[in-house]
Amino acid sequence: GAVVSQHPSRVICKSGTSVKIECRSLDFQATTMFWYRQFPKQSLMLMATSNEGSKATYEQGVEKDKFLINHASLTLSTLTVTSAHPEDSSFYICSARGGGSEKLFFGSGTQLSVL
Amino acid sequence: GQNIDQPTEMTATEGAIVQINCTYQTSGFNGLFWYQQHAGEAPTFLSYNVLDGLEEKGRFSSFLSRSKGYSYLLLKELQMKDSASYLCAVRGFNAGNNRKLIWGLGTSLAVNP
Repeated sequence: GAVVSQHPSRVICKSGTSVKIECRSLDFQATTMFWYRQFPKQSLMLMATSNEGSKATYEQGVEKDKFLINHASLTLSTLTVTSAHPEDSSFYICSARGGGSEKLFFGSGTQLSVL
Repeated sequence: GQNIDQPTEMTATEGAIVQINCTYQTSGFNGLFWYQQHAGEAPTFLSYNVLDGLEEKGRFSSFLSRSKGYSYLLLKELQMKDSASYLCAVRGFNAGNNRKLIWGLGTSLAVNP
């Protein structure tokens, strides 16, 4: 099956720093990538949808200047959490759709802890 | 509004059968997904239903009734490793008329020996 690689799996940073998370589709071209965040015991919350070569579409309430998304190629999307604060601590998951499939393929997630 | 309802928690015994229900109200319908998520891990795909009826895949089966806005995931011959959260997601439309997945809160299944 299709593989989506997400790095890093865990990051601990100081408040005020920026963190970049990478999401790569390894064996298919991801026309659309999605970024989610998930708090403990809660469901996935869609943050933004990105299509290759165009600006990301952010969900209501998600600050686009704080969560920078770049989808420069069909196999790579990045999420940068700028000036991270403790309330940004969460599990961030990327997913990708492509290859003619309706399924979403998920990365392994990134646990962000901001001190 | 759009919402998806599924039970918060369920408990079952190893070797038994369990049915996890999901009801939905969405703007449009373009398919229903079930995903399994173990704690601290990303979701993994289980099933996709777009037409009414039962889809069987090994120990897991998924049923859909579009007229009732209802689906269930059936797990047979339960194993301890099936203890996880099961997420129901419906592809509907957002305000921009784009397809998007709407996620339920998940059902935490505990399988006991």
